[in-house]
Amino acid sequence: NAGVTQTPKFRVLKTGQSMTLLCAQDMNHEYMYWYRQDPGMGLRLIHYSVGEGTTAKGEVPDGYNVSRLKKQNFLLGLESAAPSQTSVYFCASSSGTANTEAFFGQGTRLTVV
Amino acid sequence: AQSVAQPEDQVNVAEGNPLTVKCTYSVSGNPYLFWYVQYPNRGLQFLLKYITGDNLVKGSYGFEAEFNKSQTSFHLKKPSALVSDSALYFCAVRDNESSYKLIFGSGTRLLVRP
Repeated sequence: NAGVTQTPKFRVLKTGQSMTLLCAQDMNHEYMYWYRQDPGMGLRLIHYSVGEGTTAKGEVPDGYNVSRLKKQNFLLGLESAAPSQTSVYFCASSSGTANTEAFFGQGTRLTVV
Repeated sequence: AQSVAQPEDQVNVAEGNPLTVKCTYSVSGNPYLFWYVQYPNRGLQFLLKYITGDNLVKGSYGFEAEFNKSQTSFHLKKPSALVSDSALYFCAVRDNESSYKLIFGSGTRLLVRP
């Protein structure tokens, strides 16, 4: 039972490079989320999705794009990485009701140099 | 707009003593409230949640939380702390009127000393 799986676990990018972070869940969840975690800032919501084919902006969406082409996958893209995007990124998913808890992946540690 | 505040960056407590980690929230609709714990280099793990009903909810590892609607608070508690409880704790809220965004507080580091 894998739950929520994030790929890759670590990555170092040069400024201006692009990359895609992949999140996959095997729980048939409707909702999926991308957060970034920075010291003293907690978890900030980047983008989220309430179903296949839908996405919405969270608190800090600038510099990121997302896609939810398949229900089980939620991709986070950085088109032109900046040092300010150095962070730990977490994906989460939950079922399609507001009163259910979310399940988290193990995180992706991204460093932009 | 939804928001969650955790006013303490760190809470220090001696093993065996009770602990409280504070959380206050702001939502426009009915709140659904959650507590998560994060151990070093790990993802977040769900501890407990308040949906409706009894204001005192019990969760994993002996933790409980008290919902107070008038004070818009959802404090995490444990009667007797363990050294192994040392971790980063996050409060989160979901608003049933905001497309189910899940918003987190800034986190509180709990340090339990032997």
